[in-house]
Amino acid sequence: DAKTTQPPSMDCAEGRAANLPCNHSTISGNEYVYWYRQIHSQGPQYIIHGLKNNETNEMASLIITEDRKSSTLILPHATLRDTAVYYCIVRGSMFSGGYNKLIFGAGTRLAVHP
Amino acid sequence: NAGVMQNPRHLVRRRGQEARLRCSPVKGHSHVYWYRQLPEEGLKFMVYLQKENIIDESGMPKERFSAEFPKEGPSILRIQQVVRGDSAAYFCASSPPEGSTEAFFGQGTRLTVV
Repeated sequence: DAKTTQPPSMDCAEGRAANLPCNHSTISGNEYVYWYRQIHSQGPQYIIHGLKNNETNEMASLIITEDRKSSTLILPHATLRDTAVYYCIVRGSMFSGGYNKLIFGAGTRLAVHP
Repeated sequence: NAGVMQNPRHLVRRRGQEARLRCSPVKGHSHVYWYRQLPEEGLKFMVYLQKENIIDESGMPKERFSAEFPKEGPSILRIQQVVRGDSAAYFCASSPPEGSTEAFFGQGTRLTVV
């Protein structure tokens, strides 16, 4: 079962920042937070992941709260092509005694409109 | 989707036939995961394999489904005696052994059973 909770849908205006929240209150110390998205029926696309520090790459920023019980994915300037289902996933690390598979929940359906 | 190749992209089978889905992971990746996505539903984990080993098959149906990842060659998901309910998109992902590294997905095989 998925260990995260996300809103089922969100809207965002093109050019504005999209902030997608995720609750993972039962996360353990060796588990990472991963974000993926699925555009239409394509294969899921990796976006970003983090353990405890905030992370940024060319696609997005990931803000993890200090207690690690929630996080926010930020798309700084959303475009129409960012319309997709976004999945927040908690994933253990094999080398710290956790488990390595990704379990997808229902995700958040983000609609970016003109 | 950095280099995970799935083939065929589309597969049509008649009820009772066998379906073989192939997945070539990113070069150097030794872990492979298979997921199934029924129409209008989320991604469901099926099986997690390392080279020559099945690590977790908790999501595999008990009958007709099998998976392998041989020492040489692609990973194969095999569905025997297909039924209409097997019609779905099947996605493969691969990752290196390091536990905190992202997994990359292929574009999937869309199986239609007629």
